[in-house]
Amino acid sequence: GQNIDQPTEMTATEGAIVQINCTYQTSGFNGLFWYQQHAGEAPTFLSYNVLDGLEEKGRFSSFLSRSKGYSYLLLKELQMKDSASYLCAVRDGGATNKLIFGTGTLLAVQP
Amino acid sequence: DVKVTQSSRYLVKRTGEKVFLECVQDMDHENMFWYRQDPGLGLRLIYFSYDVKMKEKGDIPEGYSVSREKKERFSLILESASTNQTSMYLCASSQIGEPGNTIYFGEGSWLTVV
Repeated sequence: GQNIDQPTEMTATEGAIVQINCTYQTSGFNGLFWYQQHAGEAPTFLSYNVLDGLEEKGRFSSFLSRSKGYSYLLLKELQMKDSASYLCAVRDGGATNKLIFGTGTLLAVQP
Repeated sequence: DVKVTQSSRYLVKRTGEKVFLECVQDMDHENMFWYRQDPGLGLRLIYFSYDVKMKEKGDIPEGYSVSREKKERFSLILESASTNQTSMYLCASSQIGEPGNTIYFGEGSWLTVV
């Protein structure tokens, strides 16, 4: 079956670093995405990993270990505007680019 | 910038009504998707289409149908709305080819069935 697990909620302090974990078990794998979604808005693309290792993009980094079925999103120098849901999604191995989403992690950044 | 436009942001419909949710994308993407998003359940795929007049069932197609008569437009149809279809509906599109091609979402349609 298809299963993607993320923590439901996390809290962190402004200026700190937070790591959001994602584990997955899917029938196929063709990459892993992270999206950010503010309340009442559409998800927006943050990062994509298909090979093992760390991808860095400004304050955000994403890591993938395919053998462990594991990824994390690392947010540095947290800002209040980073309060949002973070969605982990796996692209299955088919030709249609279908994404399977986790339930998302709601991050609250406190002053 | 890619633009995925959902025509209705907020709708209130009665049980048994037929509901149309329209979605248009302006990037000539082959793939289009309809998801619904519910608290604690995340995004679940209802239907997707990889070409005009082509459609595939997603994970929760029951109670829904879709139409793709033109490449840029993908419509979600609730033949007879029920209260358990109250949800936020997200349309999305993507280019075929590279696995790294992300999908782009519309702003969402909040549907309440009373």
